[in-house]
Amino acid sequence: RKEVEQDPGPFNVPEGATVAFNCTYSNSASQSFFWYRQDCRKEPKLLMSVYSSGNEDGRFTAQLNRASQYISLLIRDSKLSDSATYLCVVDLIYNFNKFYFGSGTKLNVKP
Amino acid sequence: DVKVTQSSRYLVKRTGEKVFLECVQDMDHENMFWYRQDPGLGLRLIYFSYDVKMKEKGDIPEGYSVSREKKERFSLILESASTNQTSMYLCASSATGGPLAREQFFGPGTRLTVL
Repeated sequence: RKEVEQDPGPFNVPEGATVAFNCTYSNSASQSFFWYRQDCRKEPKLLMSVYSSGNEDGRFTAQLNRASQYISLLIRDSKLSDSATYLCVVDLIYNFNKFYFGSGTKLNVKP
Repeated sequence: DVKVTQSSRYLVKRTGEKVFLECVQDMDHENMFWYRQDPGLGLRLIYFSYDVKMKEKGDIPEGYSVSREKKERFSLILESASTNQTSMYLCASSATGGPLAREQFFGPGTRLTVL
């Protein structure tokens, strides 16, 4: 079983739409959670950390549900520039900063 | 800005060749990582290092070795390249600290093709 599972998509949405991605993780001892963004043929970059109480950064909102072991990312008012692959990342703190990456969800925002 | 550089963007090698992939970071990070990324499989950890001369196996270490002689440099070695090692290789580094300090910064990647 994979540590982190994501719907690969693609999610095809028009500009201005709201879109949400979910990600499930298997290890209940997971401590930290992140969303990374990866543009085509580029390296992954941190989009935002996910806090227990949920957090927002502009048009992006991240939520954590420990009981059901999933995290979510909500993007409001989608822009063309949001087109990318979004990677869910889970960190087992006791394991030497080792991250587990989901295989990513591809988002295409169309005009 | 953190900068992680990798020695090559594209590399073509023949089966059986010894391959060296180099990674250098300029932020004095303790931790360095080597991943491979394949379609549908995401990033998979090959090896990581949390200090000079220290290394730990990741999830798929078979066929690979690593070297970390200096804090800023982490090398991935394919002792005898095989076609199933054709992939995108990504190096990353991170500091040691609380959750928010452990962001991993990635290099641009090396696309390796083994013929």
